[in-house]
Amino acid sequence: GDSVTQMEGPVTLSEEAFLTINCTYTATGYPSLFWYVQYPGEGLQLLLKATKADDKGSNKGFEATYRKETTSFHLEKGSVQVSDSAVYFCALTFKAAGNKLTFGGGTRVLVKP
Amino acid sequence: DAMVIQNPRYQVTQFGKPVTLSCSQTLNHNVMYWYQQKSSQAPKLLFHYYDKDFNNEADTPDNFQSRRPNTSFCFLDIRSPGLGDAAMYLCATSREPRENNEQFFGPGTRLTVL
Repeated sequence: GDSVTQMEGPVTLSEEAFLTINCTYTATGYPSLFWYVQYPGEGLQLLLKATKADDKGSNKGFEATYRKETTSFHLEKGSVQVSDSAVYFCALTFKAAGNKLTFGGGTRVLVKP
Repeated sequence: DAMVIQNPRYQVTQFGKPVTLSCSQTLNHNVMYWYQQKSSQAPKLLFHYYDKDFNNEADTPDNFQSRRPNTSFCFLDIRSPGLGDAAMYLCATSREPRENNEQFFGPGTRLTVL
């Protein structure tokens, strides 16, 4: 079945450091790919998405590019802030699957001042 | 602002005592989802409604039921909560299930089972 694999956390960084969170997927066909963020005590918020190969999603300084060749959707941010401390989930969905999200295990990021 | 609202934010129940969690939305979306998220894990889809059509995930225990009386509201009923049902329960909505639309999540209800 379809699956998403993320790097395990926690990832601890200093403010203004560069952040990368690796995400790879296994799926039959070409899914849409998402990054969701969950701040402490809150629900999930969509951070960015890409619906076809080579698309780049971007939002709030975060970027991720849909790489079909490597079945990856790595999340990057050039300069993190303390407010970026959260859990980040990579996810995929297929039209045929009724928009059902398949999530990775989540990566906790802690940014220290 | 259009949003997804969950009540209560924190719910404490006793082992075996039925409990109902509530979700409402002002987005007028056709689809409403319920997810269970245990500590440090990814959300797990329990079921979803597409309008009035109920779609249960194959591995969702019978102990979990849902009702959607109208477009705006959806309820999660746990008939006999066990200790293993303690989790965060997330409600989400989307416009249509057949398109790659964003799902909008509520803040969640954290359920404690004593």
